Amino acid sequence: NAGVMQNPRHLVRRRGQEARLRCSPMKGHSHVYWYRQLPEEGLKFMVYLQKENIIDESGMPKERFSAEFPKEGPSILRIQQVVRGDSAAYFCASSPTPGHTSTDTQYFGPGTRLTVL
Amino acid sequence: DAKTTQPNSMESNEEEPVHLPCNHSTISGTDYIHWYRQLPSQGPEYVIHGLTSNVNNRMASLAIAEDRKSSTLILHRATLRDAAVYYCILREGNTDKLIFGTGTRLQVFP
Repeated sequence: NAGVMQNPRHLVRRRGQEARLRCSPMKGHSHVYWYRQLPEEGLKFMVYLQKENIIDESGMPKERFSAEFPKEGPSILRIQQVVRGDSAAYFCASSPTPGHTSTDTQYFGPGTRLTVL
Repeated sequence: DAKTTQPNSMESNEEEPVHLPCNHSTISGTDYIHWYRQLPSQGPEYVIHGLTSNVNNRMASLAIAEDRKSSTLILHRATLRDAAVYYCILREGNTDKLIFGTGTRLQVFP
């Protein structure tokens, strides 16, 4: 059973460009979470999605950031008009349960390291 | 969200036991205690979780204080591969996200 897959692993963008980060959850998982880790900091929750639905986006910046998890295909985290402060590692996690219990485990991908020049 | 307090860093020698403490004095009765770790340049991985009783699995043991205001993650024999940042996380009922603190950076020396 393949783990959570993220691509690309490294992404370099110039200020003002768009960044698209992809996440394929583990087989059988229909719940996806995105986290951001700034240099030398802990991970911060961004958004929680189920297939075709955003469940909790309380950690998403109000502008330039969006996320989707279509019925078919990977989850996409999209950052428009990137700025240097967006440089970070972006991690995706998936879980097999609705995410509303205190015991379910989240399985993390290897992350995408975004560098904005 | 309930908060946890961990030491910034700890050191251990290979094949010695390691006790990683976590304080969570504001824990509520329904909060589960989860531990994740993050190896260098990797995503976090689940280690163990518990509610009231001590827990053991193939990776580690979790000792929970009787008043639940603190817990300790125990690695019985540290290896070089255990060098990582260890995060103690409280999960409330009906919560979807993990709230990561700054964690404890564990160094293991040969």
